[in-house]
Amino acid sequence: EPEVTQTPSHQVTQMGQEVILRCVPISNHLYFYWYRQILGQKVEFLVSFYNNEISEKSEIFDDQFSVERPDGSNFTLKIRSTKLEDSAMYFCASSVLARNEQFFGPGTRLTVL
Amino acid sequence: ILNVEQSPQSLHVQEGDSTNFTCSFPSSNFYALHWYRWETAKSPEALFVMTLNGDEKKKGRISATLNTKEGYSYLYIKGSQPEDSATYLCAFVTGNQFYFGTGTSLTVIP
Repeated sequence: EPEVTQTPSHQVTQMGQEVILRCVPISNHLYFYWYRQILGQKVEFLVSFYNNEISEKSEIFDDQFSVERPDGSNFTLKIRSTKLEDSAMYFCASSVLARNEQFFGPGTRLTVL
Repeated sequence: ILNVEQSPQSLHVQEGDSTNFTCSFPSSNFYALHWYRWETAKSPEALFVMTLNGDEKKKGRISATLNTKEGYSYLYIKGSQPEDSATYLCAFVTGNQFYFGTGTSLTVIP
């Protein structure tokens, strides 16, 4: 059964460093999403992506975040200069159509020291 | 900030009991309501996508109803089994944004 994959499973970085989180969505899906969950808090929407551009982003998704689909299979989330408060689980998801059921990856745990 | 509430936060039931929990969301700018099941150490798995007021959906022993006018959805589990133990998340969809509730953590005691 096709699934969304994410790498790495755990990333530890120093404050101020850039990180890139990688996702491979399900191959026939057209919509891609990033979410984060800070420990003990809700899952929060970051961004949705369609047709090689951002279709919606939340207020959390500020200038230090960017997304890219560099090669037709990977979907990446870049955090330019990490802060302590960026420590969270980051989930990627994909769906066939907009607002349809989403298929989630296993998440990347980001720890900023 | 858009508020999606789920209650109760956690629930312990005996195997065989039926149970239900609630997701409350804004009654305006509604597009869809999603339910996801999230087991520990796994990723959320879609249960239902509900779009129409009055929708009722069923998957095995789990069913859900939707009232968009008053802004709530109920999830029911009939005859709970230990494998139903998980966190159940709802997500309110408006525009292209998804707003998740905090989840209801269900533990089914054998």
